[in-house]
Amino acid sequence: NAGVTQTPKFQVLKTGQSMTLQCAQDMNHEYMSWYRQDPGMGLRLIHYSVGAGITDQGEVPNGYNVSRSTTEDFPLRLLSAAPSQTSVYFCASSLYSTGSSYEQYFGPGTRLTVT
Amino acid sequence: GENVEQHPSTLSVQEGDSAVIKCTYSDSASNYFPWYKQELGKRPQLIIDIRSNVGEKKDQRIAVTLNKTAKHFSLHITETQPEDSAVYFCAASFNAGNMLTFGGGTRLMVKP
Repeated sequence: NAGVTQTPKFQVLKTGQSMTLQCAQDMNHEYMSWYRQDPGMGLRLIHYSVGAGITDQGEVPNGYNVSRSTTEDFPLRLLSAAPSQTSVYFCASSLYSTGSSYEQYFGPGTRLTVT
Repeated sequence: GENVEQHPSTLSVQEGDSAVIKCTYSDSASNYFPWYKQELGKRPQLIIDIRSNVGEKKDQRIAVTLNKTAKHFSLHITETQPEDSAVYFCAASFNAGNMLTFGGGTRLMVKP
């Protein structure tokens, strides 16, 4: 198993550009999520999904879109990049069932710089 | 929503000493409390977790305690080693699911 994979590892964007951060998992996990990590801070939830076709907003969703067309993939789209979106982005996945919590497995991260 | 505060932000100990990191949470409905270790440039990795129906959990040199009444939980590392040096994050799940709210992190430095 590759676990959770993310591409690219590094990206530099200019203000106003758009891009998609890719995330894939091969563990058949229903739950997938995106976090951002800023220096000296914990991770903050951007968007999450409990299954194909279902997405919802987390704590800091503005400026980001997601979709979940398959169980395996959960891409994060930046519509118009801003310097405030400079951060390290982590994708995570886990099992899911109502009423329970499960260990979340994190991808290696994407370091994004917006100039 | 949930708010998780973590203290201290940095902690320096001598090898062999114990280290304690504390977190408080705001939502009494939170029922799952994981701890993650993150080495420099790496992904967070789960080291231990506890659920609200348990007061304490131990795994070798690592233990976590939970006080639901006071809404705080703590990570205890005994006999610290240089390889324990990393940033540690606590988190709380404020619904019966996987949405985690993280604390701000503690940078632990273990001096040989």
